[in-house]
Amino acid sequence: EAGVAQSPRYKIIEKRQSVAFWCNPISGHATLYWYQQILGQGPKLLIQFQNNGVVDDSQLPKDRFSAERLKGVDSTLKIQPAKLEDSAVYLCASSLSLEGAWEQYFGPGTRLTVT
Amino acid sequence: DAKTTQPNSMESNEEEPVHLPCNHSTISGTDYIHWYRQLPSQGPEYVIHGLTSNVNNRMASLAIAEDRKSSTLILHRATLRDAAVYYCILYGGATNKLIFGTGTLLAVQP
Repeated sequence: EAGVAQSPRYKIIEKRQSVAFWCNPISGHATLYWYQQILGQGPKLLIQFQNNGVVDDSQLPKDRFSAERLKGVDSTLKIQPAKLEDSAVYLCASSLSLEGAWEQYFGPGTRLTVT
Repeated sequence: DAKTTQPNSMESNEEEPVHLPCNHSTISGTDYIHWYRQLPSQGPEYVIHGLTSNVNNRMASLAIAEDRKSSTLILHRATLRDAAVYYCILYGGATNKLIFGTGTLLAVQP
């Protein structure tokens, strides 16, 4: 079974530029998550989708971050404009359902460096 | 959200058992105790979970105190590939969210 795919794996941008990350969840998984992991900390949930609807985006900095999950499969997370403090690993995860959110499968992450 | 407390780091020798502790004194009756681990340069992966009884699977064992205020993840024979950050997470109620702390960084010496 293929795991969660993310691209790119690494990205370096200057502050005030924009960037987008892509995630392809495990086939058949209805729930998709984006996390931000700053160095030395555990992952922090940014947004949670159930199919193509947003379940929770309370931790998403909406003035600069946006995410979508068209057709309930792939998802993109965008940052515009980026700030230095956005340097982090962005992890995508999926689970079979909201009820199964306790078992999430994570991708390898995208490491973003903002200079 | 109920919180967990874990040591920042632990060390083990290869092929020896490892006991990773977690305190969760404010756990509620509906909270499950979950463990995830994160290998270097990878996303977290599910390890094990339990509610009241001790649990075993192919990766590890979970021992839960009778009052549920603490638990211990047991790796029966540590290998170099078990070097990772181990997260103890309380999951349940209406949140349906995994809330990660800083975890325990486990180093395994050959």
